[in-house]
Amino acid sequence: DVQMTQSPSSLSASVGDRVTITCQASQDISNYLNWYQQKPGKAPKLLIYDASNLETGVSSRFSGSGSGTDFTFTISSLQPEDIAIYYCQQDDNLPYTFGQGTKLEIK
Amino acid sequence: EVQLVESGGGLVKPGGSLRLSCAASGFTFSNYMMNWVRQAPGKELEWVSSINSISNYIYYADSVKGRFTISRDNAKNSLYLQMNTLRAEDTAVYYCARAFGDYWGQGTLVTVSS
Repeated sequence: DVQMTQSPSSLSASVGDRVTITCQASQDISNYLNWYQQKPGKAPKLLIYDASNLETGVSSRFSGSGSGTDFTFTISSLQPEDIAIYYCQQDDNLPYTFGQGTKLEIK
Repeated sequence: EVQLVESGGGLVKPGGSLRLSCAASGFTFSNYMMNWVRQAPGKELEWVSSINSISNYIYYADSVKGRFTISRDNAKNSLYLQMNTLRAEDTAVYYCARAFGDYWGQGTLVTVSS
């Protein structure tokens, strides 16, 4: 299975800050990398697919980049409603494994 | 509008069985791989099982292989997960997800406890 290593595991930032989360795959996954947002008691919501494509209806303050094994997720200006856990996921090979998550909090 | 609605969760004793269902609407169900993903309380997401559109390719995580069976009925736009010989560590919210995970249901909670 492809292992996904996400960092940091938690992050505290202020409203308006630029926030960056990284994800590293244990093998080359090309651009088969997705980012999800999960709020308490809710299902994950797809934000970014194929490493850098913004899902329809998702705020443009979210962005993603990378290919191969190293990927980055960025929130350009943190808003209070962005408080959630963020997961990366590879969909190059089944099982479509997830990172361990990054819990984002407001400072 | 794509909708996935899970049902069938509940409290079951260790060694017991449950059958989860996922009713799909708003898209051509028979065109998509479908999956079950679970999340234990406070834990990360775990990909459990996948079935392709015509049911001739099936994947199981090692943690459930031999105990869980995924199936689908394209005529009924439904996905199923038969869970046997349940263990405490199977306690989780079980989500139905389309394809790689572009759409998810709201989840159904399975609790395995005596």
